[in-house]
Amino acid sequence: QLQLQESGPGLVKPSETLSLTCTVSGGSISSSNYYWGWIRQPPGKGLEWIGSIYYTGTTYSNPSLKSRVTISVDTSRNQFSLKLNSVTAADTAVYYCARPGITGTSPYFDYWGQGTLVTVSS
Amino acid sequence: DIVMTQSPDSLAVSLGERATINCKSSQSVLYSSNNKNYLAWYQQKPGQPPKLLIYWASTRESGVPDRFSGSGSGTDFTLTISSLQAEDVALYYCQQYYSTPVTFGQGTRLEIK
Repeated sequence: QLQLQESGPGLVKPSETLSLTCTVSGGSISSSNYYWGWIRQPPGKGLEWIGSIYYTGTTYSNPSLKSRVTISVDTSRNQFSLKLNSVTAADTAVYYCARPGITGTSPYFDYWGQGTLVTVSS
Repeated sequence: DIVMTQSPDSLAVSLGERATINCKSSQSVLYSSNNKNYLAWYQQKPGQPPKLLIYWASTRESGVPDRFSGSGSGTDFTLTISSLQAEDVALYYCQQYYSTPVTFGQGTRLEIK
């Protein structure tokens, strides 16, 4: 059974960099033609796709966040990571990693991590 | 970006009754080359990640009860729960995956009347 687990600091100071890692178990990141994704959800609000990465390192990001987002992959550890720089309170959200249900750069997502709350506050 | 608009924002339905949630996209999500609508539905319960219910607008994900169904084409879509159960209380989201960035509706809260 495929499982995804987010990890990283739950509190980040304004203007600093948010860093999260998604560890995949029960399947290999590099054995499938998927763009693994990051999605976030501010408290009490809706879902926003942040970006996605292919196991080769090719990435796509939401233009609304693109200049601040870096997504990377470590196939040896079966992990992919998110960095979001220059954070503000508006970046406070539950961050999810997810696996797409189809190949391609615009997928739906059929496996999700449990999510991790990141609060931006001094 | 394609804007997804759901209606209503919240809905209260009696147990055993039908619940209907609508989703409208700002442009068509029907891909003419394969005649598929790039539209998914999710259910989210408090403290949990979204759960995929429906993809290709009407294909039920494995394990999803058959009281959940999706319909529509082009820009207008509907999620129907034929006979509401207590465990269906949740937030529901539609998502288009026709183009990048993929985008979600604002969500519809479903409650028991």
